[in-house]
Amino acid sequence: AQKVTQAQTEISVVEKEDVTLDCVYETRDTTYYLFWYKQPPSGELVFLIRRNSFDEQNEISGRYSWNFQKSTSSFNFTITASQVVDSAVYFCALSEGTSGTYKYIFGTGTRLKVLA
Amino acid sequence: KAGVTQTPRYLIKTRGQQVTLSCSPISGHRSVSWYQQTPGQGLQFLFEYFSETQRNKGNFPGRFSGRQFSNSRSEMNVSTLELGDSALYLCASSSYGGIIDTQYFGPGTRLTVL
Repeated sequence: AQKVTQAQTEISVVEKEDVTLDCVYETRDTTYYLFWYKQPPSGELVFLIRRNSFDEQNEISGRYSWNFQKSTSSFNFTITASQVVDSAVYFCALSEGTSGTYKYIFGTGTRLKVLA
Repeated sequence: KAGVTQTPRYLIKTRGQQVTLSCSPISGHRSVSWYQQTPGQGLQFLFEYFSETQRNKGNFPGRFSGRQFSNSRSEMNVSTLELGDSALYLCASSSYGGIIDTQYFGPGTRLTVL
C-alpha cells in the first residue's frame, strides 16, 4: 500500500503566486521522519527539510513554509511569492522502521511549473 | 564539503549487457543507498550499504547487486540488462543511515537500454 500520497501530479502558477503542495502519509510507527526534496531538471534531489514525528511546530525558511499536522497525517509545503526558479518536481518522503529494516518511502512527486 | 558524486552521468547499453555504476558519498558518510527512478514507478529503493555490508534491501531481482568499499564508495551492478531497466539511478549518502538520518543525493546516472 502506498504510504506517501502526493495527489497533485502537476501544478501551474504564475510568478508571485503562493502555492501549496500536499503530502499525506500513512504509518503505524510512533517515531518517524518526514522530508521534502526538490528535483530540478538536472535530476539531483535537493534536501529541503526534515521533521520528526514529535515536533509539530510549523517551520518557515524564507519563502518556504511547512505545515505538519499529525491529526490529518499531512505535511504540506507552501511556497510564498513563487519564482520561476522554483519550477521543479517536489517529493515528500517518509522514513520509518527500526535499524536494519528502515525504509525511505517517497511520494510520486508534484511537478510545479511557475510561469513568468 | 563536496557533495555526492556519481559516474558516469549517462550510459547507453543494449539488452543482455551488464553495467556498473559508481557513487562516492559525502566525506565522512558511511551509509550509501541506491534508488531507481522511472516515470511509471517513481523512486524505488534498491539497497543500502553501511560499513561494506548490505543492511537493507528493496524488492528488486537478483540482477541488481551492489557493494561498498572501505572508503565508503559504492558500486551498483545490473546484469543481463532489460529494456525496463532504463531509468535514472540515484545514489544517496548519509552519516549512519537509519530513519533519523537525512539522505543527500547525487546527480544520478541516466541509463538507457536499447
